[in-house]
Amino acid sequence: DQQVKQNSPSLSVQEGRISILNCDYTNSMFDYFLWYKKYPAEGPTFLISISSIKDKNEDGRFTVFLNKSAKHLSLHIVPSQPGDSAVYFCAAVATGANSKLTFGKGITLSVRP
Amino acid sequence: NAGVMQNPRHLVRRRGQEARLRCSPMKGHSHVYWYRQLPEEGLKFMVYLQKENIIDESGMPKERFSAEFPKEGPSILRIQQVVRGDSAAYFCASSPPTGDQLAKNIQYFGAGTRLSVL
Repeated sequence: DQQVKQNSPSLSVQEGRISILNCDYTNSMFDYFLWYKKYPAEGPTFLISISSIKDKNEDGRFTVFLNKSAKHLSLHIVPSQPGDSAVYFCAAVATGANSKLTFGKGITLSVRP
Repeated sequence: NAGVMQNPRHLVRRRGQEARLRCSPMKGHSHVYWYRQLPEEGLKFMVYLQKENIIDESGMPKERFSAEFPKEGPSILRIQQVVRGDSAAYFCASSPPTGDQLAKNIQYFGAGTRLSVL
């Protein structure tokens, strides 16, 4: 049972344009959400997070939006850069549940120069 | 200022051998998590430990797998009598002590150990 879903396995965008990566979840106990970026042969790197009490969090080129009623979040990267090409994982946690992260399968983002 | 350190980076074992994976958390972090990633999959939670305590091992197979985080030294994930299906990338993560309730949800990952079982 996939509690965190990233339904699009890949996304390709032009450099300078916006990248929008989507994530859906089914467990209503999740109240904290994170995005991680992963390069091949490396570990995931924390990118940005959002608490369920907010609907938006912004950090430089990265913005995460949360729609609790739809159980949907998205990561916006603008402007996209070739160095952003990586696999992006959405993760969720129920803060009363020992903080274990539940990950989606990831989206491979390719930013074309 | 080292991050989460895992070793070895690559480990090759024959079926039936034992695999030991080590993880040193970030300085000041007292919570350690182990995750496994199969090809084309996301990371799956295995176990959550604090010093000398297993807090949650609900994601770890009941047989052949064990984990510890001793008072001194790194956390160890041990896989006995490995089988081909154990081949995967194993990632360790750490987070700071409970204090800032939101900060403790952010886990910082090591580079992983890639286990290959022949």
